[in-house]
Amino acid sequence: AQSVTQLDSHVSVSEGTPVLLRCNYSSSYSPSLFWYVQHPNKGLQLLLKYTSAATLVKGINGFEAEFKKSETSFHLTKPSAHMSDAAEYFCVVSEGGNNDMRFGAGTRLTVKP
Amino acid sequence: EAGVVQSPRYKIIEKKQPVAFWCNPISGHNTLYWYLQNLGQGPELLIRYENEEAVDDSQLPKDRFSAERLKGVDSTLKIQPAELGDSAVYLCASSSTGLQDTEAFFGQGTRLTVV
Repeated sequence: AQSVTQLDSHVSVSEGTPVLLRCNYSSSYSPSLFWYVQHPNKGLQLLLKYTSAATLVKGINGFEAEFKKSETSFHLTKPSAHMSDAAEYFCVVSEGGNNDMRFGAGTRLTVKP
Repeated sequence: EAGVVQSPRYKIIEKKQPVAFWCNPISGHNTLYWYLQNLGQGPELLIRYENEEAVDDSQLPKDRFSAERLKGVDSTLKIQPAELGDSAVYLCASSSTGLQDTEAFFGQGTRLTVV
């Protein structure tokens, strides 16, 4: 069965500096991978997804992620953090043809002024 | 366009009491999901519907949890009786298809506190 491991439970950056949120996955098939963001008191929102097309995926709000099969990783990056990026981020894997999504434990991103 | 709507947003009940959560998915979305999110953890799937059929309920604790999706639109998740350990956020989501690369849209969730 598929699974994801988010390597950091909490990441803190200063505004204007790069963001790196790390995710490793385990999958027996060709997976689909997603990053979702959860702001307080709001529903989970899709940032980006990988579905076997381009390995570098661009999402909303300047985020992007690169699928690396050899490293089984799907790390999320952003060149310059903004205060509004402070939230909980979830890496998600799905496989087997149906949308059986497995979430990581989440990484809480804090952005300091 | 309205997103996924859940009610109530918050619920506090005493243990051993019943509780029900309601979800209205995005119009036209055939696939509906119920997730459980414990504090500090990622959501875990409880049940997935394709129209009115539950196609994956392997993680639903069937001794106390039940769900239904009449007419393949709205859905209700029930717990009876509730236990202290059921305190969590219950999330509903929907997607246009049940295929693995389909974006799921989430409601704001119902935060349940069992005292």
